[in-house]
Amino acid sequence: GAVVSQHPSWVICKSGTSVKIECRSLDFQATTMFWYRQFPKQSLMLMATSNEGSKATYEQGVEKDKFLINHASLTLSTLTVTSAHPEDSSFYICSARRRAPYEQYFGPGTRLTVT
Amino acid sequence: GQNIDQPTEMTATEGAIVQINCTYQTSGFNGLFWYQQHAGEAPTFLSYNVLDGLEEKGRFSSFLSRSKGYSYLLLKELQMKDSASYLCAAMDSNYQLIWGAGTKLIIKP
Repeated sequence: GAVVSQHPSWVICKSGTSVKIECRSLDFQATTMFWYRQFPKQSLMLMATSNEGSKATYEQGVEKDKFLINHASLTLSTLTVTSAHPEDSSFYICSARRRAPYEQYFGPGTRLTVT
Repeated sequence: GQNIDQPTEMTATEGAIVQINCTYQTSGFNGLFWYQQHAGEAPTFLSYNVLDGLEEKGRFSSFLSRSKGYSYLLLKELQMKDSASYLCAAMDSNYQLIWGAGTKLIIKP
């Protein structure tokens, strides 16, 4: 299967600071990338969808000014959590979709803890 | 509306076979995905069906019936490491994945 990497795998930051998470598709070009958040024992929650070279589409209830997404190339997307607060502590997972047959692969996730 | 249904939890015995069912209703259809997710980890891709029928991949097989809006994941020769959540997701006409809540599979010795 295709490989998606995510960095860092875990991060601890202080309240009020910003954190950037990188997502890379290593062996395919991802026309679309997705960012999910998952709280313990809960389902995946889609935060936003981004297509290379265009602005991300955010799901209802997700603050676009707080969660900045950049999809600069067909292999890289970044999520920046700005002015992080303890309630932003979660497991953030990116996913990359290739062109047809539209298979979608997940990165290993980033565990964010805001103190 | 769009909806995915799958059982919340299933229990099976090591070495046995288990079938996890999934029914879906979506606006348009571009395929059905199955993912495995161990606790604390990201989902791992298992299968993608876009045509009717059964696709076999080692111990795991996935079946799709588009006319019935139905899929199943079949796991054979169960191992303890197969204990995980299994996520069913259907891709709609906009190529967006609509997710089920996941089936937690518990394997007993």
